[in-house]
Amino acid sequence: DTEVTQTPKHLVMGMTNKKSLKCEQHMGHRAMYWYKQKAKKPPELMFVYSYEKLSINESVPSRFSPECPNSSLLNLHLHALQPEDSALYLCASSQEVQRAQYFGPGTRLLVL
Amino acid sequence: GQQVMQIPQYQHVQEGEDFTTYCNSSTTLSNIQWYKQRPGGHPVFLIQLVKSGEVKKQKRLTFQFGEAKKNSSLHITATQTTDVGTYFCAGRHGGYQKVTFGIGTKLQVIP
Repeated sequence: DTEVTQTPKHLVMGMTNKKSLKCEQHMGHRAMYWYKQKAKKPPELMFVYSYEKLSINESVPSRFSPECPNSSLLNLHLHALQPEDSALYLCASSQEVQRAQYFGPGTRLLVL
Repeated sequence: GQQVMQIPQYQHVQEGEDFTTYCNSSTTLSNIQWYKQRPGGHPVFLIQLVKSGEVKKQKRLTFQFGEAKKNSSLHITATQTTDVGTYFCAGRHGGYQKVTFGIGTKLQVIP
């Protein structure tokens, strides 16, 4: 299995909602990532988990809360988001943090 | 912070023409990765370069890493419509865990 899966594919939420994005990989990768991508821009790193421990938080607002329940799963909990948080949220994984990253299809998030 | 500059931002080519995108860093990179993102899709890993002066080929794609490990290029020979997409370089500086993505080069191929 060489795939990273993400659910949901699309999400519309109000500014007072709480929702979660989910990411899963079964490649035995020990590093997992959350990226945010706006239209016509490169992916922007949010968080890195290495061996299930948070190793990088790129000064992301606390309304985004990552969680790594086990080596295959990565969640991103969303609360009280702003319209400017609307974007494509990409999950990626790699064998180790230095190696090639394999991206999931992303969740297209719209905050109203 | 660490930056990776990428040019050009956009390139239109006639099908069959060659295409090159360039990435440059002011400081030495420990490695550089290249990704392709199709319209409406997600980034897909193409290759990683680690050694000074390294050249790797994948069919019509040729990837180079500069001798000083500060620049890299991706060259596509005889473009096809399937090459359409945005090509990103992503460089890793020193012992940093993260890679820094270039702005991307959006390639359009005119049939």
